[in-house]
Amino acid sequence: KQEVTQIPAALSVPEGENLVLNCSFTDSAIYNLQWFRQDPGKGLTSLLLIQSSQREQTSGRLNASLDKSSGRSTLYIAASQPGDSATYLCAVSGNYGQNFVFGPGTRLSVLP
Amino acid sequence: GAVVSQHPSWVICKSGTSVKIECRSLDFQATTMFWYRQFPKQSLMLMATSNEGSKATYEQGVEKDKFLINHASLTLSTLTVTSAHPEDSSFYICSASTAKIIGYGYTFGSGTRLTVV
Repeated sequence: KQEVTQIPAALSVPEGENLVLNCSFTDSAIYNLQWFRQDPGKGLTSLLLIQSSQREQTSGRLNASLDKSSGRSTLYIAASQPGDSATYLCAVSGNYGQNFVFGPGTRLSVLP
Repeated sequence: GAVVSQHPSWVICKSGTSVKIECRSLDFQATTMFWYRQFPKQSLMLMATSNEGSKATYEQGVEKDKFLINHASLTLSTLTVTSAHPEDSSFYICSASTAKIIGYGYTFGSGTRLTVV
């Protein structure tokens, strides 16, 4: 059974810092991995989707990497801003059309 | 494109009543819809998988008679929480996979926050 963990559980940084969020999964046979953002009381916003054959994806200040063999992904946020404050969720899918298994999330606070 | 519309966004109901949550795929056909729930300070957990025209598959520990899922068309799936109790208070969210998203990604509804009083 796939299990996803995320470290750290919570992170508080001053504005402008670069930061890294970590995600680990136990079964390396994944189809894709997706990073989401969730604001308090709100739904999910998809940030980056990485296919199992890819090693990284970039969007603006965000960069996500994937090392499928070691079961790890990182989300790098450059020049953090207070607006980046949210919970970041990592999720993996085992095959096309299958559901996601979510990690517990990292709660990020960027202080002005 | 690839939008899933979920309604209502929040609902408060009395204990013992039923609540229906709808998810519509607006610009694609969702043959499969996933329903998740999220308790406070916890991550999303899959409740059930619904395929158009067939019975939903429920995850272990999810009561199928309490959480009724209907997926009668390719654009609409509904989750009905029957005889709701305060412990059913949670955030419910649906998602569908579609080839309209590069890499067969997923698109999620905006979620429904259910409070049972």
